[in-house]
Amino acid sequence: GEDVEQSLFLSVREGDSSVINCTYTDSSSTYLYWYKQEPGAGLQLLTYIFSNMDMKQDQRLTVLLNKKDKHLSLRIADTQTGDSAIYFCAESTFGNEKLTFGTGTRLTIIP
Amino acid sequence: DAGITQSPRHKVTETGTPVTLRCHQTENHRYMYWYRQDPGHGLRLIHYSYGVKDTDKGEVSDGYSVSRSKTEDFLLTLESATSSQTSVYFCAITQTGLGDEAFFGQGTRLTVV
Repeated sequence: GEDVEQSLFLSVREGDSSVINCTYTDSSSTYLYWYKQEPGAGLQLLTYIFSNMDMKQDQRLTVLLNKKDKHLSLRIADTQTGDSAIYFCAESTFGNEKLTFGTGTRLTIIP
Repeated sequence: DAGITQSPRHKVTETGTPVTLRCHQTENHRYMYWYRQDPGHGLRLIHYSYGVKDTDKGEVSDGYSVSRSKTEDFLLTLESATSSQTSVYFCAITQTGLGDEAFFGQGTRLTVV
């Protein structure tokens, strides 16, 4: 079955860039997503990338996809205290419409 | 914000009792999902629905059942609650199930004592 792995924790100084990594096993993954969860809340979609792309940029967010290595990353430029949250990567596959999530990475910002 | 509400938001129940969690949406989205969130495991899919009366199992479906008799409601039932089912449960909805945004409810914190 599908498996999506992430590191559990990341600490970054305010103003630096954060890079959150994710690996997945399903080579037929069609869409890959990044979701953000703030304390006590549900998840919100940050961005997603189609599997035929290798990069997507949206303001401070850059998503890189290495399909050969099944590796996805999210870079947050100029990290701010409001970026403190848990970040989940997720994948879905054409013909199998269920979202599979990773373990989540808790991002902590150091002042 | 997407119209999706979960009830109850918090519940404490005893081992062996049945529990039903409700997810209600006003978006007329086709797909509805139930996940549980546990530390170190992320979100794991319990069951999902791709239409009225159409449901399928996720990766952790044992001990859970679901029903969807109307587009707007998706019920998750724990037939006989166990302590291992203590968790935070999230409902999510999507329009097409692929490549579009999943909207999440606020979550239900369930404690089985």
